[in-house]
Amino acid sequence: NAGVTQTPKFQVLKTGQSMTLQCAQDMNHEYMSWYRQDPGMGLRLIHYSVGAGITDQGEVPNGYNVSRSTTEDFPLRLLSAAPSQTSVYFCATSLSGLNEQFFGPGTRLTVL
Amino acid sequence: QKEVEQDPGPLSVPEGAIVSLNCTYSNSAFQYFMWYRQYSRKGPELLMYTYSSGNKEDGRFTAQVDKSSKYISLFIRDSQPSDSATYLCAMILYNQGGKLIFGQGTELSVKP
Repeated sequence: NAGVTQTPKFQVLKTGQSMTLQCAQDMNHEYMSWYRQDPGMGLRLIHYSVGAGITDQGEVPNGYNVSRSTTEDFPLRLLSAAPSQTSVYFCATSLSGLNEQFFGPGTRLTVL
Repeated sequence: QKEVEQDPGPLSVPEGAIVSLNCTYSNSAFQYFMWYRQYSRKGPELLMYTYSSGNKEDGRFTAQVDKSSKYISLFIRDSQPSDSATYLCAMILYNQGGKLIFGQGTELSVKP
């Protein structure tokens, strides 16, 4: 039982490049979400999903796309990376939106 | 103004001290309140979860919610060096399950 896994752990991109951050869970949780964490800002919600096929925007969705084709996976896509997207990205899951959210180990992204 | 405000610290206390961490919020629709603990370079983990005004105790930790003042607190008794971490308050709007809004986080250091 791996819980919540995120890949890669570290990534360096150049401005304008695209990439996908992967998140997978084996907890059979319906709810999944993506956050970014910046110094002094806490965690900010990017996108979330209440179940397969359903996604919605959080506080800071611009520059990011998501899709949810299966219960287990919730990838986050950066279409054209910008230095402002340098951050630590966390994926989280929960049974429902009102339950405890379990966080993955994070992906550290640097955009040059 | 952020919806959830938290003093970022850092806070440094001697071992055995009582620690008080606080958050204020502006939207009275927040109904579910949580405290997460985050060790360096790790994902946050849930420490306390409450949805009513009053106190909730778990070992050395007490979560306090005052909805009339829009104020929540986390108290740590007999603090230990292993409590050194960043503590984040978080809350959910009653009609937007899943949209977890975090405070900025308070960095705590407990010195032996």
